Amino acid sequence: DIVMTQSPDSLAVSLGERTTINCKSSQSVLYSSTNKDYLAWYQQKPGQPPKLLIYWASTRESGVPDRFSGSGSGTDFTLTISSLQAEDVAVYYCQQYYSTPPTFGPGTKVDIK
Amino acid sequence: EVQLVESGGGLVQPGGSLRLSCAVSGFTFNYYWMHWVRQAPGKGLVWVSRINSDGTSTSYADSVKGRFTISRDDAKNTLYLQMNSLRADDTAVYYCARGATGYSSSWHDNWGQGTLVTVSS
Repeated sequence: DIVMTQSPDSLAVSLGERTTINCKSSQSVLYSSTNKDYLAWYQQKPGQPPKLLIYWASTRESGVPDRFSGSGSGTDFTLTISSLQAEDVAVYYCQQYYSTPPTFGPGTKVDIK
Repeated sequence: EVQLVESGGGLVQPGGSLRLSCAVSGFTFNYYWMHWVRQAPGKGLVWVSRINSDGTSTSYADSVKGRFTISRDDAKNTLYLQMNSLRADDTAVYYCARGATGYSSSWHDNWGQGTLVTVSS
């Protein structure tokens, strides 16, 4: 199985500040024949199901604010929130869907400082 | 509007069985692969199982293989998870989720609200 790790485990950021979450896979999730990274990001607020933010490592889901962006390739990925808003308090998960079983990172909790 | 609504969770004793249902609406059910993902209290997300669009292919996490069975009824627009030989470590909120593409390798673009399964004596 591909193991996903995330850093940091948690962080507290001031409103309006930039937030960066890192995700690393134990093997590449870049599929050579499609040249796409099979990596997604989800946001989960307390008491709610996860919500898709990003797929193909950098494609924003429809309706997701453009302050959320994804980058990276191969084994190293980043989710960036350009200007943290109060409603962004949540746990963020990365997920690889390159191989079965699809696996999630342990999550990064984002709070307001 | 895409909707996924899980039901069937509850308290069950170790060794018992439970069948979860996920009723969907707002999209053509028989086009999509469907998944179950679970989340133990205070823990992260763990993929459990998936079924392809016509129900002919299934996959399971090693932790549930041989105990859980995923199925679908396209006439009823409903996904199921039959859970047998339940253990305490199966305690979790179970989410059904839609695979975004018509292929096995896919992210999950829509999720239900989840149903809580508690395995305890």
